[in-house]
Amino acid sequence: QSVLTQPPSASGTPGQRVTISCSGGSSNIGSNTVNWYQQLPGTAPKLLIYSNNERPSGVPDRFSGSKSGTSASLAISGLQSEDEADYYCATWDNSLNGWVFGGGTKLTVL
Amino acid sequence: EVQLVESGGGLVQPGGSLRLSCAASGFTFSSYWMHWVRQAPGKGLVWVSRVNSAGGTTSYADSVKGRFTISRDNAKNTLYLQMSSLRAEDTAVYYCARSYYYGSESYAFDMWGQGTMVTVSS
Repeated sequence: QSVLTQPPSASGTPGQRVTISCSGGSSNIGSNTVNWYQQLPGTAPKLLIYSNNERPSGVPDRFSGSKSGTSASLAISGLQSEDEADYYCATWDNSLNGWVFGGGTKLTVL
Repeated sequence: EVQLVESGGGLVQPGGSLRLSCAASGFTFSSYWMHWVRQAPGKGLVWVSRVNSAGGTTSYADSVKGRFTISRDNAKNTLYLQMSSLRAEDTAVYYCARSYYYGSESYAFDMWGQGTMVTVSS
């Protein structure tokens, strides 16, 4: 059972916009910034969004993040087949004194 | 090339020990906090441990506290994870990751290694 809650799966068709939610509490998302990671099949995770809504260099602007209260979300617009991957939210937890991840959301491009 | 390369994984019996290494190159290793994150087969990411840039401050997930020890050798640009009293539930791919500070108390794992597999089984 992960500290951060994500839907296990999401799907969309090419060109569509999809969102993935991440729910936490006051000791984690409510107090700290949220990061999002993309993990393509068989590869290491890659940083997709940091500081709630910032994109590292090289990440397309189709990816965006937001945070409100104790929840965060990742939006992917103009969905492409290469976006098919697992997506994880993560943040620091002040009570656990450690980093926590969501359980991950498997995105399928139909 | 800027990269992290893990090694040291393998098959170990329950109760055994193993030391993982993570060799860093292409950046000033001694300037960054470093972490270990693991992923059991078919499961999600779980943070394991972290060490500060100088190596004097460490912290662990409750699941490994007292059994795992993180350390680093900045002269060798290498991060370590000494694992002992291993259990079947420690079976996972272990990734090392660099923590980058973006300002305003914002950190993220901006660089990851390719991972090394640890299997605990008799």
